[in-house]
Amino acid sequence: EPEVTQTPSHQVTQMGQEVILRCVPISNHLYFYWYRQILGQKVEFLVSFYNNEISEKSEIFDDQFSVERPDGSNFTLKIRSTKLEDSAMYFCASSYNRDSNQPQHFGDGTRLSIL
Amino acid sequence: RKEVEQDPGPFNVPEGATVAFNCTYSNSASQSFFWYRQDCRKEPKLLMSVYSSGNEDGRFTAQLNRASQYISLLIRDSKLSDSATYLCVVNKEGGGADGLTFGKGTHLIIQP
Repeated sequence: EPEVTQTPSHQVTQMGQEVILRCVPISNHLYFYWYRQILGQKVEFLVSFYNNEISEKSEIFDDQFSVERPDGSNFTLKIRSTKLEDSAMYFCASSYNRDSNQPQHFGDGTRLSIL
Repeated sequence: RKEVEQDPGPFNVPEGATVAFNCTYSNSASQSFFWYRQDCRKEPKLLMSVYSSGNEDGRFTAQLNRASQYISLLIRDSKLSDSATYLCVVNKEGGGADGLTFGKGTHLIIQP
């Protein structure tokens, strides 16, 4: 079964540094998403991306964050000037089309630890 | 008011028993509904979509009540492998490319 893959599985970064999280969505999917989950809390939506532009973003997704699809397969989340509170699991997801019943499939996440 | 609300549990249930979870959502414009399961420190995995008429997938039955903005999940003949956190998930406005809204989850522990 095709799956969403994420790298690295664990990223440790000094506060103030920039970090790039990488995702390879399922190959025929057109919609891509980033979510985060702070330890012990619920999964929170960050941003959705379609046709090389952001479709929707949450209040969390401020100027510190950016997304990019640099080639035909990768989808990246960049976090600039990282803060301690950015420590979380970051999940990438993808879905096939705009049908509201098309589920989003999640990668196994990148654990980001800010020191 | 929380957007998606669930009883956090934990629910401690003997193997073979039937267990039911409930969930309420606040946005009446929500169009699609899902149950995901999440194992400890793992990604959410789709368990099943929830349809207006109710739907069943093996031992799992999901129900939706739009008038009450209420979703349920029933697990019959529970297995040890069913131990996980069950996430009630709602699409905010309907239509793809929208971020999903997650509940905090209900923790289920199946005991031998």
